[in-house]
Formats: sequence, C-alpha cells, structure tokens
Amino acid sequence: DSGVTQTPKHLITATGQRVTLRCSPRSGDLSVYWYQQSLDQGLQFLIQYYNGEERAKGNILERFSAQQFPDLHSELNLSSLELGDSALYFCASSVVGDHRTDTQYFGPGTRLTVL
Amino acid sequence: GEDVEQSLFLSVREGDSSVINCTYTDSSSTYLYWYKQEPGAGLQLLTYIFSNMDMKQDQRLTVLLNKKDKHLSLRIADTQTGDSAIYFCARGGSQGNLIFGKGTKLSVKP
Repeated sequence: DSGVTQTPKHLITATGQRVTLRCSPRSGDLSVYWYQQSLDQGLQFLIQYYNGEERAKGNILERFSAQQFPDLHSELNLSSLELGDSALYFCASSVVGDHRTDTQYFGPGTRLTVL
Repeated sequence: GEDVEQSLFLSVREGDSSVINCTYTDSSSTYLYWYKQEPGAGLQLLTYIFSNMDMKQDQRLTVLLNKKDKHLSLRIADTQTGDSAIYFCARGGSQGNLIFGKGTKLSVKP
C-alpha cells in the first residue's frame, strides 16, 4: 500500500459524458501527478500540481482539467468523453515534486471505460 | 525511437535469474526507476538508482547502470511465480514527471 488513494476504482460511462476522478496523496506529500495508461500510448504524464498550484503540463487534452484543493487532494475532470479516453488513470504523489530529490508513489488507479 | 525502450516480454523458469533491460536517450535524469505492475493493480516502486552510481543491490534485486551506454538493467535473483508482472523502467523528465518505457511482461514458469 503506497498511501495514495484513488476513487472510484472503476467507472463506466457513455460517450459525451463528464466524470471526476479523485486522488488523496500520501500524508506529507505536497505534489500530485496524474498519468494515463492506455494500451497504445503506454503511461503518459498528464499534469502536476504542487501545493494547490499547477506546476507542469504534459499530454493533457483540453477536454481534461484538474485541480488540487487546500487539503491537497486532487481531482481530474474528464469531459466530452470519447471511446479513446478509456484507460487506467493513475495519481502519484511526492514530497516536493522534484524528481531530482524525491520519488513518486502511485495510487491503485481508476479504470475508466467509455461505451 | 522512443525515449525509454524495453523489450516487451521475458519468460523464465522459477528459481532462475531474470534480467530486464532498458535503454534511454536522455541522460539528464538524476534518478532512474523500476516500477512493478501486477495484474489489475497500480504501480509499485521497486527500486531506484542515482545516476552517479553503477550498481545498487536490494535483497533479490540488483540494478546496474551503464551511463555511457545509457543502459539500465534489473536483475531478479531466484525468480518466483509471484514476480510475474509488468516491469517498467522510468527516468525523470524535465517537468518533474516520470517518462516510462512500455513495460516488460515477465512470465515465470513453475
């Protein structure tokens, strides 16, 4: 158990819908990352937050957005869902969000299925 | 080519050693990582190595880093059926994120 929690574990929805994925980082970690794992693209970095502020953006679509709240939990919002958005979405957390000094611990993931 | 490359499959017999290889193109990362993903599960950090080290040993795991050739390997001694999983090599990206290989699926036969 990494200490990172994600809810829900599974999500099934239809095209065009909007969903929210939730992540709670490990106690003491200030930074949260979101990654998408799909069969064709592998593990792709989406976005990073540090202490409530967006720090870095990766391959995140404009239909996707995220935020980190004052209690440091984070939410990833996916809208206008398409079949291709079906994937496993991971949240990771680290102490300060700098790969030169700390490591990332991953949650169990949310499996999103878009029908 | 891909930034971080791994072979996709490896099959070994129980009790043998497994060696999973990884190559990368960008050598600016401070750390290089190995993660394990069991079926239906998340990513578990197995071990990592600082970029100025050649080797790191942690129980049954040995990580070797050849910085000149940009080659990283993970050796699992006395491989067990419980080691069957997908192993990901990763390096730190410039944005603080991790850049992963596609993963090597390790199958351990009894």
